Amino acid sequence: GQQLNQSPQSMFIQEGEDVSMNCTSSSIFNTWLWYKQDPGEGPVLLIALYKAGELTSNGRLTAQFGITRKDSFLNISASIPSDVGIYFCAGPPDYGGSQGNLIFGKGTKLSVKP
Amino acid sequence: KAGVTQTPRYLIKTRGQQVTLSCSPISGHRSVSWYQQTPGQGLQFLFEYFSETQRNKGNFPGRFSGRQFSNSRSEMNVSTLELGDSALYLCASKMIQGRGGYTFGSGTRLTVV
Repeated sequence: GQQLNQSPQSMFIQEGEDVSMNCTSSSIFNTWLWYKQDPGEGPVLLIALYKAGELTSNGRLTAQFGITRKDSFLNISASIPSDVGIYFCAGPPDYGGSQGNLIFGKGTKLSVKP
Repeated sequence: KAGVTQTPRYLIKTRGQQVTLSCSPISGHRSVSWYQQTPGQGLQFLFEYFSETQRNKGNFPGRFSGRQFSNSRSEMNVSTLELGDSALYLCASKMIQGRGGYTFGSGTRLTVV
């Protein structure tokens, strides 16, 4: 079935640094969603992308829908400690799924540099 | 406005037992989805309900079932529990289908011993 591959799996951030992560698939997605999950909580939607090439910002977060429809990128500028958490990309499968039926990547875990 | 409420937050069950988890969506939300989250498999889709009808089902055995009531509240049931069913079960709701993301609850942490 369809899969989403996220990289990196984990990364360490220092306050003020910019962060980049991406999500790729061997098949096309028509919607890309980026979620963040804090420990003990459910995922929270950060950004939704609906059109190839679309670039959308939400505060310090910027995400892009790749023109091939097979990838998406999330950038965080000037990171702060509360950016720590797990970031997931997700999208509905190509067999007509809705946003209630999502495929999730395995996540990118952001931690603070010791 | 209250968020998505899942009860209980934590649950410990024994192999072979059954369990029912509850989800109260945000008021006015009629679409509810359930996901299982484990360290190994990540987030996997279980079911999607809209107006009491199951619209989609993930690739899980028949031991996993769910339903939605007329007030949009939803329950999922797992029968004959196995150790591998230990997971965080997440419910998410949305007002209508189409654009816009789902709002997730904090989940029910199920441990099977």
